Amino acid sequence: GAGVSQSPSNKVTEKGKDVELRCDPISGHTALYWYRQSLGQGLEFLIYFQGNSAPDKSGLPSDRFSAERTGGSVSTLTIQRTQQEDSAVYLCASSTRQGPRAYGYTFGSGTRLTVV
Amino acid sequence: GNSVTQMEGPVTLSEEAFLTINCTYTATGYPSLFWYVQYPGEGLQLLLKATKADDKGSNKGFEATYRKETTSFHLEKGSVQVSDSAVYFCALHSGGGADGLTFGKGTHLIIQP
Repeated sequence: GAGVSQSPSNKVTEKGKDVELRCDPISGHTALYWYRQSLGQGLEFLIYFQGNSAPDKSGLPSDRFSAERTGGSVSTLTIQRTQQEDSAVYLCASSTRQGPRAYGYTFGSGTRLTVV
Repeated sequence: GNSVTQMEGPVTLSEEAFLTINCTYTATGYPSLFWYVQYPGEGLQLLLKATKADDKGSNKGFEATYRKETTSFHLEKGSVQVSDSAVYFCALHSGGGADGLTFGKGTHLIIQP
């Protein structure tokens, strides 16, 4: 697509439920990143995919968080047994392999997750 | 490791005022430097970039100059508008092997009419 698409744009869920957040990167972008932005906070790196390589999961805050990227394209971030502190905007970004140095990332509009 | 430090906000200015948002960095190698802007309810958009020392990035009236001697990339605009109200993020990419950007914590800018 023309841009990075994230869905849903808003999600309200009850504490303890599982949620799935979807990211559809720009066609041809091999790198995909997930970030979390809590209210009034900066960007917290969660996970990074590059092509078919093993993902960099070093930013995932707990084992309740996981992510997949199927076929090197669409990615799903799953949060199990959601907690109120998981409430945040979850941002996805993509780039070409060489892109970050020359062009930075292209971000989606984010999914605003509210856990009640 | 790499790091980006930018001034804490919120920064509140009147319309037509001069804007400076400071950004300094620590990085290995010769990083590329970026400013991103996040308008309310939206994702981050690339505002401007500079890929080598002394380069000046510019867009929408904003400018930033890559200063290697002071490891800085301060964002400036001569006359701000209410529509410039947003959160601004400074970021870097270093060619030290990692592919990702390192972001600052963001500066919330509020422009009052």
